[in-house]
Amino acid sequence: QKEVEQNSGPLSVPEGAIASLNCTYSDRVSQSFFWYRQYSGKSPELIMSIYSNGDKEDGRFTAQLNKASQYVSLLIRDSQPSDSATYLCAVNLERGSTLGRLYFGRGTQLTVWP
Amino acid sequence: DGGITQSPKYLFRKEGQNVTLSCEQNLNHDAMYWYRQDPGQGLRLIYYSQIVNDFQKGDIAEGYSVSREKKESFPLTVTSAQKNPTAFYLCASRRTSGVETQYFGPGTRLLVL
Repeated sequence: QKEVEQNSGPLSVPEGAIASLNCTYSDRVSQSFFWYRQYSGKSPELIMSIYSNGDKEDGRFTAQLNKASQYVSLLIRDSQPSDSATYLCAVNLERGSTLGRLYFGRGTQLTVWP
Repeated sequence: DGGITQSPKYLFRKEGQNVTLSCEQNLNHDAMYWYRQDPGQGLRLIYYSQIVNDFQKGDIAEGYSVSREKKESFPLTVTSAQKNPTAFYLCASRRTSGVETQYFGPGTRLLVL
């Protein structure tokens, strides 16, 4: 069973705080990891992709990957009310596959209050 | 402007009716995907296609059909066999070379009358 698990939340943080979103996955050989943001009633938009162990930073967003622990996280620094959305973790769980199929977690709903 | 378009934005289906959701992309992507999203749920894969005239079933293909006659287009038909079709339907595409990043269209919300 291929699985991607996320804390369902909801997660609520004050404006300016750091929001931490977590994701675990079932297959140790997974190679590609993605975070999407989805506003209510809208389609997902890509925020970050990460392929190697360690941290990857892009503006206020930092993705962290630990393949040994099968864990990927997203940190949002200086959280803003406009960051309030559902965050989806997506993982390529198929070794050597060229199909590019992604498996999605159920998402974590984040609310940033002023 | 390059992107993925889906139409209609809202679609109403009557009992026993087949309906078709449109998905078009001008990104020159080879692979295209259809997902279904129910409230509070993640995305579940219905069908996907890597090349023209070829497609594979995803996890919840029953009650759905697709075609891929053109690289740019991947329409999804929700048949009368799909007993619980009310959901948000998302189309995505990606290049088949390099990374697996998928980009999504704006979605179609299907409601049953």
